[in-house]
Amino acid sequence: QSALTQPRSVSGSPGQSVTISCTGTSSDVGGYNYVSWYQQHPGKAPKLMIYDVTKRPSGVPDRFSGSKSGNTASLTISGLQAEDEADYYCCSFAGSSGVFGGGTKLTVL
Amino acid sequence: EVQLVESGGGLVQPGGSLRLSCAASGFTFSSSWMTWARQAPGKGLEWVANINVDGSVEQYVDSAKGRFTVSRDNAKSSLYLQMNSLRAEDTAVYYCAKNAGWYRLDSWGPGTLVSVSS
Repeated sequence: QSALTQPRSVSGSPGQSVTISCTGTSSDVGGYNYVSWYQQHPGKAPKLMIYDVTKRPSGVPDRFSGSKSGNTASLTISGLQAEDEADYYCCSFAGSSGVFGGGTKLTVL
Repeated sequence: EVQLVESGGGLVQPGGSLRLSCAASGFTFSSSWMTWARQAPGKGLEWVANINVDGSVEQYVDSAKGRFTVSRDNAKSSLYLQMNSLRAEDTAVYYCAKNAGWYRLDSWGPGTLVSVSS
């Protein structure tokens, strides 16, 4: 149950695209198509942005997209907006448990 | 509208116990897996426990096994987390979340803070 590996921080200017990676193992990210992504603003509860690697819940802008290759999942945010500045966490099914990534702070310059 | 509201957090001494509750509304609670997650101050999210729709399946992070017990009362649309033998490293905001399947945590409560300190 080791945490998934995410970069501690990423940044981009408004209108640009950024990608956040989430690296696990064949026992979690690589073994199942059950990776989800969460956005968390300071002092707030997390919000589901992507599930099942690529699916977006209703109400989440299509600027947010997910993908996976091998043991690494990725969240891409295109057309960055100021309100996208937040912490982002990946999460993966890992058999009889779940595991989150360490989190990535996105700064919109 | 789905609503989840946690309660029961507070300050407790090491070795002590706390019971967290999560009141659910706006969805069919008895048909939903539920999850507890936590976030230590300034740290990332950590999955803590799952429970299936009728309470017959419980799953825990290794650090919680033998100390924490997740349960539910479908008649009251309520989720619980009994925490015993608390340690300083259990200090965190505890969130309950609706688990729509395979860690699709699609609704979260605002969280309740548990502080373990002497």
